[in-house]
Amino acid sequence: DTAVSQTPKYLVTQMGNDKSIKCEQNLGHDTMYWYKQDSKKFLKIMFSYNNKELIINETVPNRFSPKSPDKAHLNLHINSLELGDSAVYFCASSQDPGQGAYGYTFGSGTRLTVV
Amino acid sequence: AQSVTQPDIHITVSEGASLELRCNYSYGATPYLFWYVQSPGQGLQLLLKYFSGDTLVQGIKGFEAEFKRSQSSFNLRKPSVHWSDAAEYFCAVGPKGVAAGNKLTFGGGTRVLVKP
Repeated sequence: DTAVSQTPKYLVTQMGNDKSIKCEQNLGHDTMYWYKQDSKKFLKIMFSYNNKELIINETVPNRFSPKSPDKAHLNLHINSLELGDSAVYFCASSQDPGQGAYGYTFGSGTRLTVV
Repeated sequence: AQSVTQPDIHITVSEGASLELRCNYSYGATPYLFWYVQSPGQGLQLLLKYFSGDTLVQGIKGFEAEFKRSQSSFNLRKPSVHWSDAAEYFCAVGPKGVAAGNKLTFGGGTRVLVKP
């Protein structure tokens, strides 16, 4: 059973489109995250949700809107996609609020390419 | 603000040789420390973590890391590298304790290439 699953794995889309990435975890964790990994492999947090409540919102354009329908799901919707949004987006979860005592469990990533 | 530096962007090592990856952090207090590995096209997998106590921690896949408070370092080592260890390695820090709003900060990664 996959612990943190993201769909789709690859996403190629044109500038200006709107797209969503879905994330689900079956670990019973309370906290979920979105991280962005750029072309230089640098990982930066975007959002964090604890039990469906937004707790971290880094300086991310408001074209990015996370949604957490329940604590096992955290989706990322992106409006009006731009070339600079091309990256790998990772979903992660942790057992405790914050980064937790056990680190994160990561999904396998969604590679978004905007053309 | 917390930060993590991995000075080596790339390291090439021969199979069977030892490996050491450097990690330095900047933080107000001793943080939680982690090493993750990312194989090509995969997500990040936790190798090991340090919270407190023994400064030499053992992880999966034969890796170990040593916390040195005086040097603000948490270097990762493996005595004998296997070809399957070729991957990207990330050091990360996070605040102690459990609180909403805590987050992990990652270093820029070190890519390890293994020569036959």
